[in-house]
Amino acid sequence: QQQVKQSPQSLIVQKGGISIINCAYENTAFDYFPWYQQFPGKGPALLIAIRPDVSEKKEGRFTISFNKSAKQFSLHIMDSQPGDSATYFCAATIQLYGGSQGNLIFGKGTKLSVKP
Amino acid sequence: NAGVTQTPKFQVLKTGQSMTLQCAQDMNHNSMYWYRQDPGMGLRLIYYSASEGTTDKGEVPNGYNVSRLNKREFSLRLESAAPSQTSVYFCASSDRLTSYEQYFGPGTRLTVT
Repeated sequence: QQQVKQSPQSLIVQKGGISIINCAYENTAFDYFPWYQQFPGKGPALLIAIRPDVSEKKEGRFTISFNKSAKQFSLHIMDSQPGDSATYFCAATIQLYGGSQGNLIFGKGTKLSVKP
Repeated sequence: NAGVTQTPKFQVLKTGQSMTLQCAQDMNHNSMYWYRQDPGMGLRLIYYSASEGTTDKGEVPNGYNVSRLNKREFSLRLESAAPSQTSVYFCASSDRLTSYEQYFGPGTRLTVT
């Protein structure tokens, strides 16, 4: 119930195309869903995040779509660029009793390659 | 403002050897984490320290020990390294009381032969 399932494992997209990465979860208590971006040889960094009280969040070319009833959320990268080539991790967490944040539960990652 | 720093960047060990991975953060965060990253397995939590003076097991703690030396520093020790511990290790920090965001270090690539 603590798992976050991410697909696909790898994705190749042409420059200018749309990249879509999907995640699914079981624990309905999760209340925060971030996406992390990791470039080769670097640590992951927060890209964009959403709470379940909204269905979509957009930051530039990156959009999270959230479907609470289906327990799914996805990352859309519009007008994909070679510089977007990286590994993307979805994650989920829960606010604990007392107000502090719980640990992040990560998906297994998607390696995105954007071809010029 | 360096963020999260890790040493060493690379390390090769023989089976049975021990070593300590060092991590420090300068963001005054109360919580720190150790993850390992393996191909196809994502980021798996080894140990975490929710606040100074506390440590707890994560998903894959076997074969590791940790020490929260002070608020800034959190070390990971391999007492008797095994080939299965070949991985990339990431340290992260966060302020659990105010934010969900974790800040990651650059990683340590460890090979055990």
